[in-house]
Amino acid sequence: DSGVTQTPKHLITATGQRVTLRCSPRSGDLSVYWYQQSLDQGLQFLIQYYNGEERAKGNILERFSAQQFPDLHSELNLSSLELGDSALYFCASSSRTMSGELFFGEGSRLTVL
Amino acid sequence: SQQGEEDPQALSIQEGENATMNCSYKTSINNLQWYRQNSGRGLVHLILIRSNEREKHSGRLRVTLDTSKKSSSLLITASRAADTASYFCATDAGGTSYGKLTFGQGTILTVHP
Repeated sequence: DSGVTQTPKHLITATGQRVTLRCSPRSGDLSVYWYQQSLDQGLQFLIQYYNGEERAKGNILERFSAQQFPDLHSELNLSSLELGDSALYFCASSSRTMSGELFFGEGSRLTVL
Repeated sequence: SQQGEEDPQALSIQEGENATMNCSYKTSINNLQWYRQNSGRGLVHLILIRSNEREKHSGRLRVTLDTSKKSSSLLITASRAADTASYFCATDAGGTSYGKLTFGQGTILTVHP
């Protein structure tokens, strides 16, 4: 158990809809990262937050947005969903010591029909 | 885009044998990490090697890094059936990109009992 909690574990929705994925980082971790894993693109970095502020952005679509709240949990919002958005979405957190290691949650599997 | 190219894409061995996976990358790095992923589960950090290190050991794992060739290898000795998983290398460019990992395509390792 990494200590990172993601909900929901599975989500099935239709094209055009909007979903919110939630992540609670390990206790004490200030950084939260979102990654997308799909068969064709592999593991892609989406976005990073540090103590409530956006720190880095990757290949995140404009239809996607994220935020980190004062209690350090984070949400990834995916809107106007397309079939190609079907993927595993992972949240990870890292420690204050900045050792480099990321701790990943079990992921949220999104299926868009 | 994927920075790391992993080789082989799939590896099938018998229990007790050694498994070697290779990773190549394109840009300068601060560190290189290896992660394991059991089918459909979250990623688990295995080992991190910094750009000024050449070799690192952790239990049955041995990682080497050759920055002149921009390549790394992961050796798992005396493999077990429980080592069956996908293995990913991930590079961290450091600096303002700290924690923003770029993953390879992964090697699927199957260890037969």
